[in-house]
Amino acid sequence: GQNIDQPTEMTATEGAIVQINCTYQTSGFNGLFWYQQHAGEAPTFLSYNVLDGLEEKGRFSSFLSRSKGYSYLLLKELQMKDSASYLCAVMDSNYQLIWGAGTKLIIKP
Amino acid sequence: EADIYQTPRYLVIGTGKKITLECSQTMGHDKMYWYQQDPGMELHLIHYSYGVNSTEKGDLSSESTVSRIRTEHFPLTLESARPSHTSQYLCASSRGDDTGELFFGEGSRLTVL
Repeated sequence: GQNIDQPTEMTATEGAIVQINCTYQTSGFNGLFWYQQHAGEAPTFLSYNVLDGLEEKGRFSSFLSRSKGYSYLLLKELQMKDSASYLCAVMDSNYQLIWGAGTKLIIKP
Repeated sequence: EADIYQTPRYLVIGTGKKITLECSQTMGHDKMYWYQQDPGMELHLIHYSYGVNSTEKGDLSSESTVSRIRTEHFPLTLESARPSHTSQYLCASSRGDDTGELFFGEGSRLTVL
């Protein structure tokens, strides 16, 4: 079966750095996505990786290793507004998105 | 900013009622999706469409139907609501390129008593 694993919850301090990991097992791979979802709101797109390596976009970076079935989302200079759930999703061989349950990130002052 | 709209935002209904959740987008996207999401859980694909007159079933489709008569409109219908249908329903659309970026509506939170 297809599976996306990410930690259920993480806590970090304002101004610090946090890394959210995601491992996947899917039938085929056509890209990995990270979405941010604030409580009670819809997900919003953060990043897309299809090749190995690091993609940087401001305070957020996303890394992919296809051979290891592994990705991480790195958030720098954490702000209180970064408190949200972060969803990892993989596009499989049928170009369908397989979603993880999300990592709830709690930022403390 | 994404232009995708869902109505109603909140709905409380009794068991056995027929309901239609509306979703419209003004971006001209061919691909549209309906997802169900319970708190703290992953998104589950209910139905999707690759264009007008195209609809496909996802993982949780057996108790609902969709139609795609116009590009911008993708309504979801529950013929007979049950308490197990209580959930958040998210509509999304995409350009259809390989980046797979989805634009989500604000969601419809359904409670079936």
